[in-house]
Amino acid sequence: GAGVSQSPSNKVTEKGKDVELRCDPISGHTALYWYRQSLGQGLEFLIYFQGNSAPDKSGLPSDRFSAERTGGSVSTLTIQRTQQEDSAVYLCASSYRQGGSYGYTFGSGTRLTVV
Amino acid sequence: SQKIEQNSEALNIQEGKTATLTCNYTNYSPAYLQWYRQDPGRGPVFLLLIRENEKEKRKERLKVTFDTTLKQSLFHITASQPADSATYLCALLMDTGRRALTFGSGTRLQVQP
Repeated sequence: GAGVSQSPSNKVTEKGKDVELRCDPISGHTALYWYRQSLGQGLEFLIYFQGNSAPDKSGLPSDRFSAERTGGSVSTLTIQRTQQEDSAVYLCASSYRQGGSYGYTFGSGTRLTVV
Repeated sequence: SQKIEQNSEALNIQEGKTATLTCNYTNYSPAYLQWYRQDPGRGPVFLLLIRENEKEKRKERLKVTFDTTLKQSLFHITASQPADSATYLCALLMDTGRRALTFGSGTRLQVQP
């Protein structure tokens, strides 16, 4: 597609439920990133995929968070046993080169609300 | 520790004036620095990249400077317009080995007509 697509755009879930967030990067972009942004806050790095290399998971806040990228394209971020502090906008980005020296292209995000 | 700092207070200016936003970083030497624009409810949009060996970069009404001695980047919008109102984020690769950008918290710009 022309841009990075994320779904759903909004998700309301009950505390303790699992959620899956999806990201469709730009075709041909080898690098894919997940960030989250809490209200009025900056972007917090979560995880980074580059080609077939092992992902950099150093930003995941707990073992309730996991992500995978199938076939070097679509990525899914899974949050298990959601907590209220997980409420945030989850942003996915892709880039042509590792390290983003050509800039990242972001999706519009998934707004997650845990009630 | 390594930090990126942007003025958290909103910048309010009159239409037609030049807006100047600041990004300061500490304790490392990035190979390049990027600026993004973020509108409410949207993801950030890449604007400009400036490398450590470049003092200045221009794109239309935008100008970015990069002073590696002061560890500072300035982002200028000349002849500002109300449509320039948004939050502007700077981003760098930190020398932690992580190959993903670290973003500043952004500065909100409001251009009054």
